[in-house]
Amino acid sequence: EDQVTQSPEALRLQEGESSSLNCSYTVSGLRGLFWYRQDPGKGPEFLFTLYSAGEEKEKERLKATLTKKESFLHITAPKPEDSATYLCAVQAEIQGAQKLVFGQGTRLTINP
Amino acid sequence: ETGVTQTPRHLVMGMTNKKSLKCEQHLGHNAMYWYKQSAKKPLELMFVYNFKEQTENNSVPSRFSPECPNSSHLFLHLHTLQPEDSALYLCASSQGIIAGVETGELFFGEGSRLTVL
Repeated sequence: EDQVTQSPEALRLQEGESSSLNCSYTVSGLRGLFWYRQDPGKGPEFLFTLYSAGEEKEKERLKATLTKKESFLHITAPKPEDSATYLCAVQAEIQGAQKLVFGQGTRLTINP
Repeated sequence: ETGVTQTPRHLVMGMTNKKSLKCEQHLGHNAMYWYKQSAKKPLELMFVYNFKEQTENNSVPSRFSPECPNSSHLFLHLHTLQPEDSALYLCASSQGIIAGVETGELFFGEGSRLTVL
């Protein structure tokens, strides 16, 4: 059973075309939700932590938001250098233990 | 050097070889992790060390053997691997696991791309 699902799997945008990536989760007792960026051939790079519904975090053209069931990563007026795979992960109690569970990622391509 | 450094970046090995992956972190962190990343699959946690003690082995086959001599170094010893073990192996570190709760703020290395022939 999928606990963290990211959509879409891949997204192509033109430079300047704003959009949103989705991360939905089915775990209960969420302790935190994390967004990472991964460039090809490199390890993931930490972006944001969100702890409670209604919380928002911003960094340059990225804004992450959190509700009780999902998180959105909004990308405003993206540039080609924003092209990467974006991963979300949730930290929650699963089967009696604290776990960090990753989604499969959204591959974002920004065309100039 | 800063951050998390992994060597080698690329490794090709036969099924009968023995090799090791190395990870070193320069962040003063107390926890270190091995993850496996395969195409189109979520990151899979393999092992966790907190203050040099192994706190998690996520049902990993014994052909993968971790070693953590201190809080800054982590190894993954490989032997008798299978072609399906080909993947990107990522090392990460964090501030640590306190009262059973691990931080989700991980700092990753650039990974070791493993190909098993």
